[in-house]
Amino acid sequence: AQKVTQAQTEISVVEKEDVTLDCVYETRDTTYYLFWYKQPPSGELVFLIRRNSFDEQNEISGRYSWNFQKSTSSFNFTITASQVVDSAVYFCALSEGYSGGGADGLTFGKGTHLIIQP
Amino acid sequence: NAGVTQTPKFQVLKTGQSMTLQCAQDMNHEYMSWYRQDPGMGLRLIHYSVGAGITDQGEVPNGYNVSRSTTEDFPLRLLSAAPSQTSVYFCASSYWGGNTEAFFGQGTRLTVV
Repeated sequence: AQKVTQAQTEISVVEKEDVTLDCVYETRDTTYYLFWYKQPPSGELVFLIRRNSFDEQNEISGRYSWNFQKSTSSFNFTITASQVVDSAVYFCALSEGYSGGGADGLTFGKGTHLIIQP
Repeated sequence: NAGVTQTPKFQVLKTGQSMTLQCAQDMNHEYMSWYRQDPGMGLRLIHYSVGAGITDQGEVPNGYNVSRSTTEDFPLRLLSAAPSQTSVYFCASSYWGGNTEAFFGQGTRLTVV
């Protein structure tokens, strides 16, 4: 069965520091998709990134970057020069099989609560 | 474009009452699903549907029923509410196929007293 582990329950840093959120996954499928979602204090879920199992290229989007390593089954998320607006709960999630869209069954980690102090 | 719409946003039920959480999407997505979010537990899949007339159970289906009579709607029914069903419920939808992601509704905060 699939599993996603986010070992960091809560992280607190001072604004402008870099911070990395860890995500380790387990799956028996060779085709799978990994996601990161952000949940700000307002409660909605905001999609950040999707990565399929055949694409190990790291990705950068502004201050956000993602490091996907199949050898260690990890999909870590780094925020560079953190800002107070980055304060949120961040979820890593896994979807197995080709469908990969997620609404037929995402497995979520328990989330990391990120606190950015001014 | 409304996306995924959930109603109501907040609800308080007494133990034993029944209710339906509504979910509608206007993106013509084949896939829809319901999750519950509890503190420290992340989101867990309750039920999902891969198309009209087709539903299946997720990780935590007990106490919930679903049906999918149209592509747009995917209601979640609590037949006899219990305090253990106090949670935040999210509905999601997506296209079939790997090159997409799930779109989530705003959530329904349900309290069972």
